Amino acid sequence: DQQVKQNSPSLSVQEGRISILNCDYTNSMFDYFLWYKKYPAEGPTFLISISSIKDKNEDGRFTVFLNKSAKHLSLHIVPSQPGDSAVYFCAASYVDRGSTLGRLYFGRGTQLTVWP
Amino acid sequence: AAGVIQSPRHLIKEKRETATLKCYPIPRHDTVYWYQQGPGQDPQFLISFYEKMQSDKGSIPDRFSAQQFSDYHSELNMSSLELGDSALYFCASSPRPWDSSNEQFFGPGTRLTVL
Repeated sequence: DQQVKQNSPSLSVQEGRISILNCDYTNSMFDYFLWYKKYPAEGPTFLISISSIKDKNEDGRFTVFLNKSAKHLSLHIVPSQPGDSAVYFCAASYVDRGSTLGRLYFGRGTQLTVWP
Repeated sequence: AAGVIQSPRHLIKEKRETATLKCYPIPRHDTVYWYQQGPGQDPQFLISFYEKMQSDKGSIPDRFSAQQFSDYHSELNMSSLELGDSALYFCASSPRPWDSSNEQFFGPGTRLTVL
């Protein structure tokens, strides 16, 4: 049961343009969302996150937007650079002291390729 | 800065053998998570430990067991290995598991191949 979905397995963008990566979720208990970036032969690296009480969080070239009513979030990268080429994972979590303790639920990732 | 260390990085085993994966969290992180990522799949949560006690359990087969030691490192023991266990196993650590703003720091992973 995939609770976090990234429906685009790949995205190709020209350098300097905007990259938009999308993510949908089904579990309304999620209250924190994260984006991780992964290069080959490395573990996922935290990129940016957003709490469910916000609808936007910005960090330099990276902005995450959250639409709770649509259960949708997106990551915008502006401007895109060749070094941004990697797999981007969307993840979500919630804390329920009776069971979960912050485990992350991941999407399957989107391979972003930024070409010169 | 110190990162999460996993060993070994690569492991090849035969069916029905046993494997042990090790994880050393970032200093002062008392929570460890284990994830399994099969080919083309999303990382799936297996199990986590907080202060040396199991804190959460996901889709971990009964053939697998794990523990966290007094120095906070963790080991994932996998017995009666099956071909389907071939995957990338990530360990992550976190300083604040009780907070859902819970940034987890991942190690480079152990690639297990079962022949």
